[in-house]
Amino acid sequence: QSALTQPASVSGSPGQSITISCTGTSSDVGGYNFVSWYQQHPDKAPKLIIYEVSSRPSGISDRFSGSKSGDTASLSISGLQAEDEADYYCSSYTDITTDLVFGGGTKLTVL
Amino acid sequence: QITLKESGPTLVKPTETLTLTCSFSGFSLNTGGEGVGWIRQPPGKALEWLALIYWHDDRRYSPSLKSRLTITKDTSKNQVVLTMTNMAPVDTATYFCAHRRVAPGTRDFDYWGQGTLVTVSS
Repeated sequence: QSALTQPASVSGSPGQSITISCTGTSSDVGGYNFVSWYQQHPDKAPKLIIYEVSSRPSGISDRFSGSKSGDTASLSISGLQAEDEADYYCSSYTDITTDLVFGGGTKLTVL
Repeated sequence: QITLKESGPTLVKPTETLTLTCSFSGFSLNTGGEGVGWIRQPPGKALEWLALIYWHDDRRYSPSLKSRLTITKDTSKNQVVLTMTNMAPVDTATYFCAHRRVAPGTRDFDYWGQGTLVTVSS
């Protein structure tokens, strides 16, 4: 199945806020509240930062927030810090496989 | 504390079968709700979900790779094994195993192994 659609890159200056979008269909993002976001630093394993659209695992900063509208989910990061520079991936439940599908990933650059 | 670690060959030849093992601790696949999945990432590219196995032996596969994949578990050893047949250079990737977060309906992974790079080349 097709990956969810994310912008290839976004950038922002320290202290600013950014938003990364993740667009799917009614078979995945739009149909279910099982959207997750992962942060991946170079040569590291992905780290879960948002689950079920807007929930944060223990230990994840409240600078990270998630939302959804229709077939598009969004990850927002406020108060950008240098350590936020990483790749970000969304994922969603899909009823095509009854499991999950990942987005193509977004590279966040902190200027 | 949940930990996972992948092991297997770093180099395989085209047409060969890849066998990867995920050894884990901090949970048991005898416990209701638990699951372990495999995800891969070609160099410089995106994550791709491959397969998942639950405590009750329910198995899920990526539709595009289903014919080539088999996932099994050995609860006595706390291991999950993924086999992928007919390997090709395009299968060169870092392969991760991960723990599925335990919650109704969830499809995310809350703990990941460090990953193992598998190169397919003659």
